[in-house]
Formats: sequence, structure tokens, C-alpha cells
Amino acid sequence: GAGVSQSPSNKVTEKGKDVELRCDPISGHTALYWYRQSLGQGLEFLIYFQGNSAPDKSGLPSDRFSAERTGGSVSTLTIQRTQQEDSAVYLCASSLASGGRAETQYFGPGTRLLVL
Amino acid sequence: AQSVTQLGSHVSVSEGALVLLRCNYSSSVPPYLFWYVQYPNQGLQLLLKYTSAATLVKGINGFEAEFKKSETSFHLTKPSAHMSDAAEYFCAVNNYGQNFVFGPGTRLSVLP
Repeated sequence: GAGVSQSPSNKVTEKGKDVELRCDPISGHTALYWYRQSLGQGLEFLIYFQGNSAPDKSGLPSDRFSAERTGGSVSTLTIQRTQQEDSAVYLCASSLASGGRAETQYFGPGTRLLVL
Repeated sequence: AQSVTQLGSHVSVSEGALVLLRCNYSSSVPPYLFWYVQYPNQGLQLLLKYTSAATLVKGINGFEAEFKKSETSFHLTKPSAHMSDAAEYFCAVNNYGQNFVFGPGTRLSVLP
């Protein structure tokens, strides 16, 4: 694919329901990031994958949040028992390799989550 | 700990005027610094980055930024604003590993 894709683009759910957000990174990119963007806020780091491993889960806000990556490609962010404060835009980004500090991240368009 | 501040959540300029978006960072080690732009309903894309080479960095669409260690700043400028520059701009810092910290963003409006 040409870029990072995310699905769904919009999700409306009821409080207490579980949601799954999907990210398809650029082919060949080994690093994958999840961020949360709340209204008027910057990007809040959630989790980072190198291949299928997540060496840094420090940003996950609670144990209701989890993420996995399979085959070094697609990643799913799951939010269990959603709360209204989970409403935000969830952004996924990928980068070519580890190496870290100078990496350019390529972002998807985001999933806009609204919890009623 | 590293952090990024962006002075002014919203900046308005006239078309053709100078664009100046401010970014200050805190870092205990030499940082790597980035500016990303987010157009409406699109993902973020990289404008430019500083990785300890030249302190004046040129990016896409006529933007540039200057790293000033003494001021812990990495302000973004463009000599002449265009209507298509209207977007949200994010400054980010990376001090170590994969830990990218983004600022809160500055929304740029360009007035005709």
C-alpha cells in the first residue's frame, strides 16, 4: 500500500463496550506506534512495536487498553469497557527500522472514537 | 524527562506574511527535533527534522527551522504564507530510543 491505513475511520460506541482499532503499516516498516490525540491536546504516546514485540508499553493509560501486532505487520489496539474519556482520535504511525531517534514516522489518518 | 512547549495554540497570519511558529524543548541530552504538519482530515506528515547536523534545517513547502541550543528552541518559519499552509503544526523531540514526545500543536490560519 501507499501509506499507513487505519480502520474504521470513525467509531461510535456505548460506554462499557469493547472496541478494536486496526492499523496497517507501510509494507516493510518494522516499527509501529500508537498515539492518542484528544481535542486541543498533543499526541499522547500509547505503545510502540518493533516487529511483533512491544518493548515500550509505558503509555497505555490503563489495563483496559491492550495492543498486539502479528506477522510484523497489522496491529490492533483494543479498548475494553470503554469510558467517555476514551473519546479521541487514535493515530497509528510506522517507520522503516529501529535505530530510533532520527526515524521519520509515517502517520495514518486516524480513527475517531466517540464513546456515548 | 523531555517535554515540548509550543507558544500559541492558534496563530493567524495574512497571506504573504511571515510565518513563525514557536517550539521550545527540555532535554538532558542533545535532542533530535521534528516538525510535523496535519492538514484537515489527514494524518501527520514530516516537514523537517534536526539530527545534530546543520542547525538550520530546510523542509518541504518552503519551511525551515533553526536549532538554537542556548535558547532550547526550534522555531519554524516560512517567509511568505500561502493559503494552503493552513493546518495544525506539531513540534516533537526525541532524546532516546523510540520515545517521541509531541507538543500540543499550533493551529495556523492564513487570512486572505
